Amino acid sequence: GAGVSQTPSNKVTEKGKYVELRCDPISGHTALYWYRQSLGQGPEFLIYFQGTGAADDSGLPNDRFFAVRPEGSVSTLKIQRTERGDSAVYLCDSCLMGGARETQYFGPGTRLLVL
Amino acid sequence: SQQGEEDPQALSIQEGENATMNCSYKTSINNLQWYRQNSGRGLVHLILIRSNEREKHSGRLRVTLDTSKKSSSLLITASRAADTASYFCATDLNYQLIWGAGTKLIIKP
Repeated sequence: GAGVSQTPSNKVTEKGKYVELRCDPISGHTALYWYRQSLGQGPEFLIYFQGTGAADDSGLPNDRFFAVRPEGSVSTLKIQRTERGDSAVYLCDSCLMGGARETQYFGPGTRLLVL
Repeated sequence: SQQGEEDPQALSIQEGENATMNCSYKTSINNLQWYRQNSGRGLVHLILIRSNEREKHSGRLRVTLDTSKKSSSLLITASRAADTASYFCATDLNYQLIWGAGTKLIIKP
């Protein structure tokens, strides 16, 4: 079906607020990744889901960041007490089985701006 | 942390010319992938080359891999204005992709 979708496409919030970013992967893809990309940089790994479970969350920068994937499809990245340094494009990608040996399918990203 | 480094950081060429971008990485890999990104948004997969391959072609793209030098190159032949984008290499580390900072390619009409 359709590719990976992410909502919202843009989010502006104030420092200290809570935000949720949503990723809708390709149907049937068991693996889902979240990345963060700052201006002029490559994507930086945040968390990897295999099905419903977080197989690796070592990239989450601190405990203000949390992600869930309760039914093994849609995932939500949650950021509490946002800081200006959280401003970035948050990218989601999915692939069929998991593992970096496959082609990754990326969503268009959510551009987060924390004022 | 980023494993790959693309070179050059920026490249500006005339339409119709060939564009070559290089990528170096630090650790052993199983495969290396190249992606294109327009306007800082979603990445589009271009080509995957496995560690036992030396060269791969896809349309106007040619990728080489030299595992002894831990480097790869992406050649775009007969460039078009639509090729203007940032290009990233990514290498695998277990189930993660580790990315370089990218090469910003501008094709002048």
